[in-house]
Amino acid sequence: GAVVSQHPSWVICKSGTSVKIECRSLDFQATTMFWYRQFPKQSLMLMATSNEGSKATYEQGVEKDKFLINHASLTLSTLTVTSAHPEDSSFYICSARDSYTFPYQETQYFGPGTRLLVL
Amino acid sequence: AQSVAQPEDQVNVAEGNPLTVKCTYSVSGNPYLFWYVQYPNRGLQFLLKYITGDNLVKGSYGFEAEFNKSQTSFHLKKPSALVSDSALYFCALSYNTDKLIFGTGTRLQVFP
Repeated sequence: GAVVSQHPSWVICKSGTSVKIECRSLDFQATTMFWYRQFPKQSLMLMATSNEGSKATYEQGVEKDKFLINHASLTLSTLTVTSAHPEDSSFYICSARDSYTFPYQETQYFGPGTRLLVL
Repeated sequence: AQSVAQPEDQVNVAEGNPLTVKCTYSVSGNPYLFWYVQYPNRGLQFLLKYITGDNLVKGSYGFEAEFNKSQTSFHLKKPSALVSDSALYFCALSYNTDKLIFGTGTRLQVFP
């Protein structure tokens, strides 16, 4: 149980285009999902908290207009990198918490990540 | 402010030997503590967590961790390392919030 998927696993795009990354909880419902960014040989940086049916909460320094987050259902959150530039190249990881099953509510389960390369 | 420290960037151990990956934390109350493992180009896999109760927590793949409140530590251990345990290990905490605060990670290298 507690499987989180991400699609695509990797993407290459031209500078100026937009890229959408999907995060799905496959066997549980998640009212809250999280989006992280990881630079090479560094820890995970929380970008935003995605709440089903409401606006995402962004961490300080993260541009909400550049990183659009939509959490339309209890099993799907999407991150859209708008007008991507080479500096947006990174490894993006989502996570989700099982909202209803004790004792899993305290644990975040992570997707496999999406590697984005902007040329 | 809450924080997590992993003082070792890398830990090297011979296969079959016990391993320890260190983690200390700073928080004013009682945290939830987690260990995750990351293989190359992959997301994080949950290993174990401490919420409350027994200080010794057993997790996946034979790993365990001991919560030590007086030393504010949550070291990850395994009695006998495998080459396949080689990966990047992250300690994390959450406290009164949904958010996870991660340490900087420790790369474990197990040599045959």
